[in-house]
This record gives sequence, C-alpha cells and structure tokens, in this order.
Amino acid sequence: NAGVTQTPKFQVLKTGQSMTLQCAQDMNHEYMSWYRQDPGMGLRLIHYSVGAGITDQGEVPNGYNVSRSTTEDFPLRLLSAAPSQTSVYFCASSPGLAVYEQYFGPGTRLTVT
Amino acid sequence: AQKVTQAQTEISVVEKEDVTLDCVYETRDTTYYLFWYKQPPSGELVFLIRRNSFDEQNEISGRYSWNFQKSTSSFNFTITASQVVDSAVYFCALKTSNTGKLIFGQGTTLQVKP
Repeated sequence: NAGVTQTPKFQVLKTGQSMTLQCAQDMNHEYMSWYRQDPGMGLRLIHYSVGAGITDQGEVPNGYNVSRSTTEDFPLRLLSAAPSQTSVYFCASSPGLAVYEQYFGPGTRLTVT
Repeated sequence: AQKVTQAQTEISVVEKEDVTLDCVYETRDTTYYLFWYKQPPSGELVFLIRRNSFDEQNEISGRYSWNFQKSTSSFNFTITASQVVDSAVYFCALKTSNTGKLIFGQGTTLQVKP
C-alpha cells in the first residue's frame, strides 16, 4: 500500500504564480484534509473533505482552493502565491471523522519568493 | 473553542534520562479524542497514540507512557530511558466528535544528547 502520497516534494514559486499540490490515497478513506506547518505554530487546517464532492474550510483557508471529485484525490490549489504561503504542506486521510487517527503524507515544502 | 497548548517549546536531555512532554487541552465537548504524533528530522508525521475522552486509563507501550487526566485537561507523554532516536518534534492534538477536525498544539522539540 502506498498510503498517502504527495507531489511534488519541493517547489519554488514566484509571487503571483499558481500551482496545484497533489494528494492521493489508496486506502478508500472518506475524510481527507490539508494542513500547513509553520515554525512555532504546529499544523493548521486549511481545507478538509468528508467525502467526494464535499469540501469545507478549515482554520486558514484564504488563498487556497480545493475540490474532491474522487475518493482518492484531494488537490490543493494556490491561486496567486504569496511569500506568506511559504510553508510545509501535509495532506492527511482517515476512514471517518472523529475517532480515527489521520494518516499523513510525506509533505511538500513550498517556497514563494 | 478548542485549543491545545504545549508549553514546552524545546527540551534537551541526556540519553537514558526520563522526560515528560506536557499537553493541556480545552474543549466544551464531552466526547473528544486526543492524539500524539512524532515528527522525526526526516519530516514525516508518525501516529503514536489515540485516547478517548471516556477512557482515562493510562497506557504504556515499551518506553512510552501516557497520562490522561480529565480533571486537569492534560494528556502528558513520558519517555523512559530516552534514546538519541527519540529526538524529534512531538505534537499533541485534539479532535472533537462533532467536527472531526484535528487541532494541533505548537509542538515540543525534544533533543536527546548521547
């Protein structure tokens, strides 16, 4: 099992550019989410999805879009990159909502110059 | 509002010392779930434990143990006889049953010196 995969591992963008961070899971998990990790702030929830076709905002959604057309994939789109979006991004999935632990992907390190 | 506080930003110990990582949480929900994750220098997030709000039994797994006290809203993590491989950032997290969102503390960086 591949688990949760993320691409790319590293990315450098210029201010104003757009890009999509890819996330896929092969565990048939209904719940998927995106977090960003910044020094001293832990992980903060950007967007999440409780199933195909259903998405909602987390704690820090501004500047990001998501969609969930399939159970397996949950891409994160940066519409117009800003230096404040320099961070490490983690995708996670779990079989359901509360009781289950989340399985994390390896992360994408994004730098916006 | 839900919140997780890990007051210890960094801890440094010498190998074989015991170390306790503190975690204090806030929630008004009666049903919730607490988690600990480890992030080694390689960067991935590794799940360590989950504890339900209705189960205050402490847990031991090898050198790791967890103390859950609802009276003080704490879920502390102790490593006995620490090893260099325990060096990592450790995150405590809270999830409530009605949202499913995982709320992380700021993390504690543990350095174990040989």
